[in-house]
Amino acid sequence: EVQLLESGGGLVQPGGSLRLSCAASGFIFSNYGMIWVRQAPGKGLEWVSAIGGDGSTTYYADSVKGRSTISRDNSKNTFYLQMNNMRAEDTALYYCAKLEAGGTATWGQGSLVTVSS
Amino acid sequence: QPVLTQSSSASASLGSSVKITCSLDSGHSTYIIAWHQQQPGKAPRYLMKFEGSGRNTKGSGVPDRFSGSRSGADCYFTISNVQSEDEADYYCETWDRNTRVFGGGTKLTVL
Repeated sequence: EVQLLESGGGLVQPGGSLRLSCAASGFIFSNYGMIWVRQAPGKGLEWVSAIGGDGSTTYYADSVKGRSTISRDNSKNTFYLQMNNMRAEDTALYYCAKLEAGGTATWGQGSLVTVSS
Repeated sequence: QPVLTQSSSASASLGSSVKITCSLDSGHSTYIIAWHQQQPGKAPRYLMKFEGSGRNTKGSGVPDRFSGSRSGADCYFTISNVQSEDEADYYCETWDRNTRVFGGGTKLTVL
């Protein structure tokens, strides 16, 4: 069974940094692209970032470009989202997800990030 | 980048059918569309996807009463015999090489 488990969320001050992790199991991790999607309180889904299976290709939404870095460690079946210079508008539930044939196929349970002083 | 348009809300009575629409902008009318369900307080769940050709792929365990169709840039997600557990937000999704877009979501209320 495919499982994705996020960790690393919490309270961070404006201008601070945070690293989210997503541990994957139940599939050959290095064969799949992975993404981060966030959902602000009471709002819809917003794609944040994507990474290819070997980690060589990465993509970012304009809202986080220049402040975030997505990476993966295929030896640990884990990928990450490092977020810097965080803003109040980054407050959201962050989901990691697995891609299949380009589309989002499996979702994690989410990790809450709150940016507040 | 592609743009997806969904109506913000829909309603259906128990046991009836409901159709939710997601429309692609004209410049991206043949893009693949996927549908996701988000029940209250839960993570999203993948339901199905539709290619421009009309071929569709359902997720594992998705009920048979969930179906979809497509007419050009308009994609439809239909629930037959609506149940109380179908009350949820439904999102469509599309993507290209370097971006991914979700529709604003349709909140389905079961009466």
